[in-house]
Amino acid sequence: TQLLEQSPQFLSIQEGENLTVYCNSSSVFSSLQWYRQEPGEGPVLLVTVVTGGEVKKLKRLTFQFGDARKDSSLHITAAQPGDTGLYLCAGSNNDYKLSFGAGTTVTVRA
Amino acid sequence: NAGVMQNPRHLVRRRGQEARLRCSPMKGHSHVYWYRQLPEEGLKFMVYLQKENIIDESGMPKERFSAEFPKEGPSILRIQQVVRGDSAAYFCASSLRDRGDTQYFGPGTRLTVL
Repeated sequence: TQLLEQSPQFLSIQEGENLTVYCNSSSVFSSLQWYRQEPGEGPVLLVTVVTGGEVKKLKRLTFQFGDARKDSSLHITAAQPGDTGLYLCAGSNNDYKLSFGAGTTVTVRA
Repeated sequence: NAGVMQNPRHLVRRRGQEARLRCSPMKGHSHVYWYRQLPEEGLKFMVYLQKENIIDESGMPKERFSAEFPKEGPSILRIQQVVRGDSAAYFCASSLRDRGDTQYFGPGTRLTVL
């Protein structure tokens, strides 16, 4: 089983601040996905990164895949209360099994 | 809404009863995956099915759990003789193709075993 560790486990910030969430593994993945999950709902895909060193931007969200394809980060600029949620990373090795981290619970206070 | 549908959204069972969880994949998707999420844990892969076939059930407990995806109708995850440890959120996902294709998740079924 390939393990993904996410840090921090919890993060509470004020509206307008920036935040970074990390996803680390000792294993190499062919791709890595970031999901956001709201209470009582299923995970919603935010982005997929596949190339080592890749950086993807989605409005105020910036995703980076490490050069060795073992780690990733999610950076949110000027966080808003609507960014509140559980952020999950999931790795894949070009197969159907996604290995999920335990997630980071982000709370953005107005 | 053409997304993945799951029902029921909440299910309460007493120990020893059976739980049946249903999943209708996105339109046109023939690949279905079931995951289980325990409190403060990530989602864990349980089983991967294509129409009428179980492809990989390596993440599913050997006893009491079974899954099917018939030619017609939704995919069913069945848990017999439930125990308190089965309490969790069960998510279904579907994809258009296999092997690395994007998986779209349903809203989940929250199972509570009393």
